[in-house]
Amino acid sequence: AQSVTQLDSQVPVFEEAPVELRCNYSSSVSVYLFWYVQYPNQGLQLLLKYLSGSTLVKGINGFEAEFNKSQTSFHLRKPSVHISDTAEYFCAVEIQGAQKLVFGQGTRLTINP
Amino acid sequence: DAGVIQSPRHEVTEMGQEVTLRCKPISGHNSLFWYRQTMMRGLELLIYFNNNVPIDDSGMPEDRFSAKMPNASFSTLKIQPSEPRDSAVYFCASSLPRRLATDTQYFGPGTRLTVL
Repeated sequence: AQSVTQLDSQVPVFEEAPVELRCNYSSSVSVYLFWYVQYPNQGLQLLLKYLSGSTLVKGINGFEAEFNKSQTSFHLRKPSVHISDTAEYFCAVEIQGAQKLVFGQGTRLTINP
Repeated sequence: DAGVIQSPRHEVTEMGQEVTLRCKPISGHNSLFWYRQTMMRGLELLIYFNNNVPIDDSGMPEDRFSAKMPNASFSTLKIQPSEPRDSAVYFCASSLPRRLATDTQYFGPGTRLTVL
């Protein structure tokens, strides 16, 4: 079975500082990888996804993530955060072809002025 | 496009009552997913449909839960009878067919269910 571990439940950072949200996954087969963002009282919105090709993936709002197969990681980064980035971030995996997303527990990103 | 539409946005009911949650997927999407989000268990896939046919319902908690998709533009998730532990936010998501190589699920705003 697949599983996703988001190593930090909460990450506080100051505005304009860089941030990294960590995600590790476990799977015996090839997977697709996703990061979703959930703003308060809203549904999930796709930030970026890795399907194949370049291991560095760029998404919306200045976020990027790097797929590391040997470390089974897919960490999310942003060089300079803004107050509007305050939200919960979810890492998810999908077995290639299976259509089922398995989510991590989420990381709450709090931006302090 | 209006995105995935869910109704109601909030539902408060008493234990034992029947609850029906509704979802309208994005036009042209033929895959539909129902998720539940709780503090304890996070985001869980309950069931998903392809072309209105249930493909995997292994995440449905128990027989009190049922889901239908009578046509390509409408789905329901029903809980009968409801219990306090069913209190959660229920999300519906839709996506294009996998053969079109689009793997993004688009989520609705969710229905916050409170069972007293």
